[in-house]
Amino acid sequence: QSALTQPPSASGSPGQSVTISCTGTSSDVGGYNYVSWYQQHPGKAPKLMIYEVNKRPSGVPDRFSGSKSGNTASLTVSGLQAEDEADYYCSSYAGSNNFVFGTGTKVTVL
Amino acid sequence: QVLLVQSGAEVTKPGASVRVSCKASGYTFTGYYVHWVRQAPGQGLEWMGWINPNSGGTNYAQKFQGRVTLTRDTSISTAYMDLSRLRSDDTAVYYCAGEARAATRFWFFDLWGRGTLVTVSS
Repeated sequence: QSALTQPPSASGSPGQSVTISCTGTSSDVGGYNYVSWYQQHPGKAPKLMIYEVNKRPSGVPDRFSGSKSGNTASLTVSGLQAEDEADYYCSSYAGSNNFVFGTGTKVTVL
Repeated sequence: QVLLVQSGAEVTKPGASVRVSCKASGYTFTGYYVHWVRQAPGQGLEWMGWINPNSGGTNYAQKFQGRVTLTRDTSISTAYMDLSRLRSDDTAVYYCAGEARAATRFWFFDLWGRGTLVTVSS
């Protein structure tokens, strides 16, 4: 299975919003509501931020939101804060008990 | 505290094999599927496969089939990832990650180990 496509980078000033896209196919993103998003700071393990397209785990700020339309999922970070600067990865169930990650997006807070 | 505790860094040679362990702490071992994910230096996350700790059933990403073997030892709450015929481009941090096990699959990972650096170099 091929990696899901994300933009390499995104940026915004503190307080602004940034949206990251994640494009797959009808065999992964478009075919299932099992899209999740992970935040990774340098040298750290990934952290779950969104699951099942738009659900937030306990403890994740409501500034993080997810959505999906067709074969493309999106993560929006509203009210950007300095600690949001990190790499973000989307992921999706890909059928037949397989899974796939996105290519990753580096978010910079200007 | 719910944790996945991974084994230490490994340095190994091309053509050899490596085993990375992942020990569950603070929860019932059979309560989570264990997935393995790797990240080469400066690169993105790459899913390798998963094991059902209850049944031992596995599924591997096509890219790694024939080279990766996932096993578990329920008596010590530990999952293992064996990767054989190592190449220099297998140099990466290898993570184990937990997906809660229920009647239906969730396909997200809310539990992660800290990662194990495997360096393949002659």
